[in-house]
Order: sequence, then structure tokens, then C-alpha cells
Amino acid sequence: SQQGEEDPQALSIQEGENATMNCSYKTSINNLQWYRQNSGRGLVHLILIRSNEREKHSGRLRVTLDTSKKSSSLLITASRAADTASYFCATDATGSARQLTFGSGTQLTVLP
Amino acid sequence: DAMVIQNPRYQVTQFGKPVTLSCSQTLNHNVMYWYQQKSSQAPKLLFHYYDKDFNNEADTPDNFQSRRPNTSFCFLDIRSPGLGDAAMYLCATSSDRRGSDTEAFFGQGTRLTVV
Repeated sequence: SQQGEEDPQALSIQEGENATMNCSYKTSINNLQWYRQNSGRGLVHLILIRSNEREKHSGRLRVTLDTSKKSSSLLITASRAADTASYFCATDATGSARQLTFGSGTQLTVLP
Repeated sequence: DAMVIQNPRYQVTQFGKPVTLSCSQTLNHNVMYWYQQKSSQAPKLLFHYYDKDFNNEADTPDNFQSRRPNTSFCFLDIRSPGLGDAAMYLCATSSDRRGSDTEAFFGQGTRLTVV
């Protein structure tokens, strides 16, 4: 079963613009992670935010976490055509022996 | 160097013929996961091992089984593949041995075709 939902399902922007993707989840978590997947490939970890953290940065990525609303957002600033991919959030639920379940994903297209 | 290795990358099997997918890791991680991903969908967790403890998802069909003979290796057995089992199968690992959680590392996946 999937833990979370993401929106939008698809997002198309121009190179240089910012892209924001949102993730909602249902249960208490140890952490929330964001992954990127290029078509037909495995997933690559982008950033992990723990349940006691509210915001985290890594390069052009900014992640926020609101545990009271059970939601997270991923912001990619100054997007590039190479950022075109599917982006998934995944939650590590509390007391789940490290069960890691994925949201429905956002397909991001960055137009040159 | 590849840290999570899945073999083969592409597997074709006949309808109803048992098939095994393999995954190995060089990270010494204690948690290993198997996911099924169909086209344009999110990865769906089938089961995972926490050390030797097997955790099966409630909606994983009985047709899917797994073995983890040691820390490094994990296998996905599909006893009688149906056409609906055609998908990408992803293996991943993670660790919490030092008391802090880490991200998951994924293999490149095995794309299974059922004919």
C-alpha cells in the first residue's frame, strides 16, 4: 500500500524557473526522503529530513516538513533540462522496522 | 563501484514458469527491500528484511516469495508469473546500525517480461 500522495502528478516548467512538489502522508514517521528516477532506471536518493527537522537544504534543493499536517515539499531552484525526471517522496514509518513506502510521484519536465 | 547489484537487468520468462531475481549489496546494510514498479507508477513495496526478520506487505500476493540467505544477498521468487507481473523489480538497502537512519540505495532494477 502507498503511504502518500504527491501533487502535482505532472509539472512542466521552463529552464531557470523553480519547481515545487508536495507530498502528504498518513502515519507517524521517523523520516521522509525524496528520490529522483530517470525513465527506466533505479531511484537515486536526493535528501532525507528527519521528523524533528523542519527544513533542509542541499545545493539547489530545499525540503520542508510539517509533521502536524503530515506534509512535505521539495523545491528545486533554477531548474535545468537535466532535472527532468520523476520525483518521489518516501516515508520511513515509526515502529515499522524501516518499512519505506513511496508516494505517487511527480513527473517533472523542464523545457530548455 | 556498484553497491546494490541486480541480476539480470532484463529477464524474460514464460507464463507460469518460476523465475528468480537476485540482488546483492556491498554496503553491509541490515535492511533490504523488494519493490515492484509498473509503468508510470510509484514503486510498490512487496516485502523487506530487517536483519533476518521478514516483513511481508499485506497486499503482496502469495505468488511472490523472498529469501535472504545472508546479509549480502536477497532473492525474489515468483512462483507462477502471470502477465500482470510484468514490471520493473527494484531492490534497495538501508541501514540503522549506528542508531541513525540512512537513505535507501537502489539497484538498477530488473525488468521482467512475461510471455
